[in-house]
Amino acid sequence: AQSVTQLDSQVPVFEEAPVELRCNYSSSVSVYLFWYVQYPNQGLQLLLKYLSGSTLVKGINGFEAEFNKSQTSFHLRKPSVHISDTAEYFCAVISFGNTGGFKTIFGAGTRLFVKA
Amino acid sequence: GAGVSQSPSNKVTEKGKDVELRCDPISGHTALYWYRQSLGQGLEFLIYFQGNSAPDKSGLPSDRFSAERTGGSVSTLTIQRTQQEDSAVYLCASSFGGTGAETQYFGPGTRLLVL
Repeated sequence: AQSVTQLDSQVPVFEEAPVELRCNYSSSVSVYLFWYVQYPNQGLQLLLKYLSGSTLVKGINGFEAEFNKSQTSFHLRKPSVHISDTAEYFCAVISFGNTGGFKTIFGAGTRLFVKA
Repeated sequence: GAGVSQSPSNKVTEKGKDVELRCDPISGHTALYWYRQSLGQGLEFLIYFQGNSAPDKSGLPSDRFSAERTGGSVSTLTIQRTQQEDSAVYLCASSFGGTGAETQYFGPGTRLLVL
């Protein structure tokens, strides 16, 4: 079964500093990978996704992620964070089943806290 | 246009009672997903619909949980004989197409508390 591991449950960082949120997944087949963000008191929204092609994916709000097949990782990065980036970030992978369906497997989330 | 809506936004019930949670997807979205988010945990995939069909129901936690979708639109998640461990936020999402590659648009959730 596929799984997603977000290695850090909380990441405190100062404003304007760079940040990396780590995500590793287990899979032996091609995958679709996503990062979603949940701002305080808001619903989840997509940051970016990798389906195929270029391994560097750019998303909204200056975030980017790099798909590394050999390390089965999809780490999220931003070169300079803002206070408004304070949120919970979820990594997700699509897991295809034998019945023709699929499941979306989410990591436990990483809470990014940006300090002034 | 309107986003995904869920009702009720909050539900408090007594252990043993049945509850129904409703999801209205974005108009035109063919796929609909249900998740559960327990306190301090990530999202747990429950079930998804492509049209009115659910290809894989293995994510439902027990046979007390069931879901249906009619007319390719509204979906209801029913929990029978609720238990305290069912307390969580239940999230619904929809997408245009159901290949797994699509962006899922999430609703605000229904916060369920079982006393």
